[in-house]
Amino acid sequence: AQSVTQLGSHVSVSEGALVLLRCNYSSSVPPYLFWYVQYPNQGLQLLLKYTSAATLVKGINGFEAEFKKSETSFHLTKPSAHMSDAAEYFCAVSDRGSQGNLIFGKGTKLSVKP
Amino acid sequence: GAGVSQSPSNKVTEKGKDVELRCDPISGHTALYWYRQRLGQGLEFLIYFQGNSAPDKSGLPSDRFSAERTGESVSTLTIQRTQQEDSAVYLCASSLAGTGLSKNIQYFGAGTRLSVL
Repeated sequence: AQSVTQLGSHVSVSEGALVLLRCNYSSSVPPYLFWYVQYPNQGLQLLLKYTSAATLVKGINGFEAEFKKSETSFHLTKPSAHMSDAAEYFCAVSDRGSQGNLIFGKGTKLSVKP
Repeated sequence: GAGVSQSPSNKVTEKGKDVELRCDPISGHTALYWYRQRLGQGLEFLIYFQGNSAPDKSGLPSDRFSAERTGESVSTLTIQRTQQEDSAVYLCASSLAGTGLSKNIQYFGAGTRLSVL
């Protein structure tokens, strides 16, 4: 069965520093890949998605993610963290041709220090 | 409406009572999903509705959980005889029908935080 691993349940960076949140998936056939962000007491908001076009995907709020098939990874990055980026980030996958169920990682809580 | 709406936003109940959670999907979205998010965990799929097809209930954790959907609109998730381990945030999402990526982009509500005392 498909699974998603997010390395690090909590990541802390300084404001202006690079943000790197890791995500690996398990299937041999590349699925659809997503990053969602969840601010406190809010629902999940789609940051970006991978569809099999360009391997470097740009999303909202300056985030981007790179799909690497050889590493079965889809890590999320942002060159310079902002205080408003503090939130929980979820990586999710959906098998192509499936009914669309999302399989989520356990999430990574990002803290940004001033 | 503009987005997925869930009610109530918070629900506190006593062990053994039944609860009903509501989800209003985005207008025109025929697919609707329920997920559960327990503290410190990712989201677990519970149930999926697509139009008038039979729902996929494969994620429901026990027979105390059930869900209904009226046509392509409102859905209710019912938990009978609640237990403390049911405490979680219950999230609803909707998406467009169709094949490929369009049905895989899900839009989420803010969730219902259920606390079972």
